[in-house]
Amino acid sequence: EVQLLESGGGLVQPGGSLRLSCAASGFTFRSYDMNWVRQAPGKGLDWVSLISDNGGSTYYADSVKGRFTISRDNSKNTLYLQMNSLRAEDTAVYYCAKGGWIDFWGQGTMVTVSS
Amino acid sequence: DVVMTQSPLSLPVTLGQPASISCRSSQSLVDSDGNTYLHWFQQRPGQSPRRLIYKVSNRDSGVPDRFSGSGSGTDFTLKISRVEAEDVGVYYCMQGTHWPPITFGQGTRLEIK
Repeated sequence: EVQLLESGGGLVQPGGSLRLSCAASGFTFRSYDMNWVRQAPGKGLDWVSLISDNGGSTYYADSVKGRFTISRDNSKNTLYLQMNSLRAEDTAVYYCAKGGWIDFWGQGTMVTVSS
Repeated sequence: DVVMTQSPLSLPVTLGQPASISCRSSQSLVDSDGNTYLHWFQQRPGQSPRRLIYKVSNRDSGVPDRFSGSGSGTDFTLKISRVEAEDVGVYYCMQGTHWPPITFGQGTRLEIK
């Protein structure tokens, strides 16, 4: 059974940093591209970033480029999102999502940026 | 960036009746490999999204056959043949042809009349 378990969310002040993690199981993690997708409260889905299966290529939405860094550790079956210089508009549930076609989503972790 | 436009944004439906959601893209979603990377997701209240349909018309495992997808080029449709109570939620289309960025429609909220 595929499982994606996000962690690391919380309350952070504007300008602060957080590191999200996503622990994957039930599939061959190293064989899949992985995404982060976020959803602001009461809003729609907003793609944030994608990393290739071997970690060699990364892609970002313009809104987070230069502030967020996606990475992965295939030996630990874990996906990460380092978020720096956080802004109020980054407040959202952050989902880890499997594959370039996004065939499975985690349960999400809430990030709140507020003073 | 490819803009995905869904309609309607709100869809009240009587139980047992059909429902249809439109998704239009700002440019053709046919990839150079001949595939069309247009997918549909369902998000029930309080839950994570779940993919229903991939590459326009392919139902994911476990998805009831009352859900179907169709379309081509820039114009796509998700149809529910007979709406059930468990179908309440928000439906999103997503394109993965012209990326980055991957883009989603605004979402269509289906409710029971």
